Amino acid sequence: DAKTTQPPSMDCAEGRAANLPCNHSTISGNEYVYWYRQIHSQGPQYIIHGLKNNETNEMASLIITEDRKSSTLILPHATLRDTAVYYCIVREETSGSRLTFGEGTQLTVNP
Amino acid sequence: DAGVIQSPRHEVTEMGQEVTLRCKPISGHNSLFWYRQTMMRGLELLIYFNNNVPIDDSGMPEDRFSAKMPNASFSTLKIQPSEPRDSAVYFCASSPDPGNTEAFFGQGTRLTVV
Repeated sequence: DAKTTQPPSMDCAEGRAANLPCNHSTISGNEYVYWYRQIHSQGPQYIIHGLKNNETNEMASLIITEDRKSSTLILPHATLRDTAVYYCIVREETSGSRLTFGEGTQLTVNP
Repeated sequence: DAGVIQSPRHEVTEMGQEVTLRCKPISGHNSLFWYRQTMMRGLELLIYFNNNVPIDDSGMPEDRFSAKMPNASFSTLKIQPSEPRDSAVYFCASSPDPGNTEAFFGQGTRLTVV
């Protein structure tokens, strides 16, 4: 699976959009981009995933660049409960549901 | 559904003792994963099963660790004998199938070996 690079930490004001970047310059054509988050002392939680088109669900939006070398997770109106470590994961379809977690981005939403 | 259920939530044991961690996946899910999380190494995949069969155990640190899945609704991770460096949070996760689907994680078991 391709390696990802994320900033170690970010801050965001409550109510504002949080934009979390991820670089995956070695991504291959059959690899998906997944985002998970882990709130303190809890298990990781799935947020969203995509292949090449932008995706949106009730939690977030995922914007993947046309060359697929980077992506951005957008939380449109961040709340204090969104404070967590956010993991960007690139995963091959053939590797099943195996997920390789990196160090992620610690997002702190401030009041 | 109650989600992935792990027990116990906390375990404190003495070095050399056997420890068994338990996991009940979400009903109908065919894939099950055991992860370990430490400050030093982050989240690491230890082993995963598909249809109760171990597919990849390359993450199991050493022979002291063993995992079983006797049926679709139960899995165990055993450490024998336990060592202080095994102290970590152990997560179990399940997913509906091996394809491109999300994994659902349990709340974890915090293991402390003294």
